[in-house]
Amino acid sequence: GAVVSQHPSRVICKSGTSVKIECRSLDFQATTMFWYRQFPKQSLMLMATSNEGSKATYEQGVEKDKFLINHASLTLSTLTVTSAHPEDSSFYICSARDPREASGYTFGSGTRLTVV
Amino acid sequence: QQPVQSPQAVILREGEDAVINCSSSKALYSVHWYRQKHGEAPIFLMILLKGGEQKGHDKISASFNEKKQQSSLYLTASQLSYSGTYFCGTAQGGSEKLVFGKGTKLTVNP
Repeated sequence: GAVVSQHPSRVICKSGTSVKIECRSLDFQATTMFWYRQFPKQSLMLMATSNEGSKATYEQGVEKDKFLINHASLTLSTLTVTSAHPEDSSFYICSARDPREASGYTFGSGTRLTVV
Repeated sequence: QQPVQSPQAVILREGEDAVINCSSSKALYSVHWYRQKHGEAPIFLMILLKGGEQKGHDKISASFNEKKQQSSLYLTASQLSYSGTYFCGTAQGGSEKLVFGKGTKLTVNP
């Protein structure tokens, strides 16, 4: 089945710094990837749709200047949390779908971000 | 538009059955079901695309009603490994993006 790799799995950063999270589709090409944020004991909230070769589409209320998304190739999307603050601490997770398979989306393993 | 999931939580003994519901006020393009264990990524269970569709594997199955506004996930003869939070994700129109319900926490006890 499809495999999506996400790195890093955990990161602790100081307030005001930036953090980059990578999401790779390992055995398929993904023109579209999705980024979610999940707070403890809550649902997955869609942040943005990452589109290969074009600008990301952000959900309402998500600051695009704060959460920079780059989808430079068919297998890699990155999410950069800029000028991170403690309230950005959360579980960030990406997903993608193998177009060759009639199945759902595969999620990366997620990144636990802690801003101190 | 976030789908509504019910119940919020279920506690079962091993071998018991459970039903989790997911509903929307508008017709859906598709419904996806996922299970997530604490601290882990959601795992895909199944997708339903057609009104009236029913599908399943092992002892987990799901249905999608004719109007494509409600889906149910059926867990029969539950096992300890079924414990986790179940999410339905729904897509509307031709959009690929999924909006997830708030989840149903399932606990299976020995």
